[in-house]
Amino acid sequence: EVQLVDSGGGLVKPGGSLRLSCAASGLTFSDAWMSWVRQAPGKGLEWVGRIKSKGSGGTTDYPAPVEGRFSISRDDSRNTVYLEMNNLKAEDTAVYYCTHITWSAARRGAAGFDYWGQGTLVTVSS
Amino acid sequence: DIQMTQSPSSLSASVGDRVTITCQASQDISNGLNWYQQKPGKAPKLLIYDASNLETGVPSRFSGSGSGTDFTFTISSLQPEDIATYYCQQYDNLPYTFGQGTKLEIK
Repeated sequence: EVQLVDSGGGLVKPGGSLRLSCAASGLTFSDAWMSWVRQAPGKGLEWVGRIKSKGSGGTTDYPAPVEGRFSISRDDSRNTVYLEMNNLKAEDTAVYYCTHITWSAARRGAAGFDYWGQGTLVTVSS
Repeated sequence: DIQMTQSPSSLSASVGDRVTITCQASQDISNGLNWYQQKPGKAPKLLIYDASNLETGVPSRFSGSGSGTDFTFTISSLQPEDIATYYCQQYDNLPYTFGQGTKLEIK
């Protein structure tokens, strides 16, 4: 059974930094493409970045709102993916979910998110 | 970025009703669309992938259809446990983007 366990959330001041962790089990982590999705209180879902497997180059992609402030990394020896968040703003307040990116055989490419962590709450406030 | 417009934003229906949610993409995404179910306080759950394929273990009363820019998600016979918020999401192009969600309630 695939399990993703998110941790590291908390209260941080505007301009501060925080690192989230996601420990994975039940899958071949080194082959996994991983992602982070967030959800502000009472709002919808927003993708905040992904990291490919090292075999696929290990590269990262981010949307504009977090580009240059957020950074995703991975430690395949620990089956863990990280989200480093810098220069945090009030609008970054959200539950952050680690997700596994599934593969679409029909489309021969990365698809959506088939496994999710339980989420960890990040609150940015003075 | 591809905008995903979901409707309605909320829906009230009776047990046994057929429920339909639509999602429109701002440009052609072929069949690169997923549907998720999110219950309060829980992480989303993938229900439909590639626009029309049922994820393993998901009840057959859930279905999806469409291609290009217009997509439909259907619950053939609403059950009490289906009360949740439903989201569409495109993965044809980065950044991945979601619809704003449809909150489904029992009448």
